[in-house]
Amino acid sequence: AQRVTQPEKLLSVFKGAPVELKCNYSYSGSPELFWYVQYSRQRLQLLLRHISRESIKGFTADLNKGETSFHLKKPFAQEEDSAMYYCALSDYGQNFVFGPGTRLSVLP
Amino acid sequence: ETGVTQSPTHLIKTRGQQVTLRCSSQSGHNTVSWYQQALGQGPQFIFQYYREEENGRGNFPPRFSGLQFPNYSSELNVNALELDDSALYLCASSPFLEDSYNEQFFGPGTRLTVL
Repeated sequence: AQRVTQPEKLLSVFKGAPVELKCNYSYSGSPELFWYVQYSRQRLQLLLRHISRESIKGFTADLNKGETSFHLKKPFAQEEDSAMYYCALSDYGQNFVFGPGTRLSVLP
Repeated sequence: ETGVTQSPTHLIKTRGQQVTLRCSSQSGHNTVSWYQQALGQGPQFIFQYYREEENGRGNFPPRFSGLQFPNYSSELNVNALELDDSALYLCASSPFLEDSYNEQFFGPGTRLTVL
């Protein structure tokens, strides 16, 4: 069965410190992986997807098929990065599985 | 360009009742997905509609049903409400292209409370 796990419910880091939000998945085929973010009082929105291999707001994520992971990283955290982050996978856009989410708190 | 809208914002029902939630997709989007988000959890995929037909479904019982209209707006219907149906219901729309994934744009959600 498809499944996405995010081991940390809450992650606190100081401003300027590196941050890594962990995501692991189980899927029998070749999934599409995403990170979605929800800032305070805003809607859930796409942050990045593995197929585009781009950096958004300084965040990057590498798909490691061997470890079935898609960790989100940023070298220097900013206070405005504080939000709820969800890792998600999709099989050809017809079924989506979200992880439970990690709340990132960037301290001043 | 108008974003995804959902109505109502909040709703209170009692166990056993039926509820209909509504979603207007973003302009130019022909695909709508519905999610249930319980408190403290990630969104759970209910189903997706593409061109008025169900195009994928998560692990939800048949009492969760939906419709998509020619203007691509959508409804989520839940029959025989149970206490565990209390959650935030999210709608997301996206343009649908074969062999590619398109970003989903989420609405603000409808908070359903079942007493």
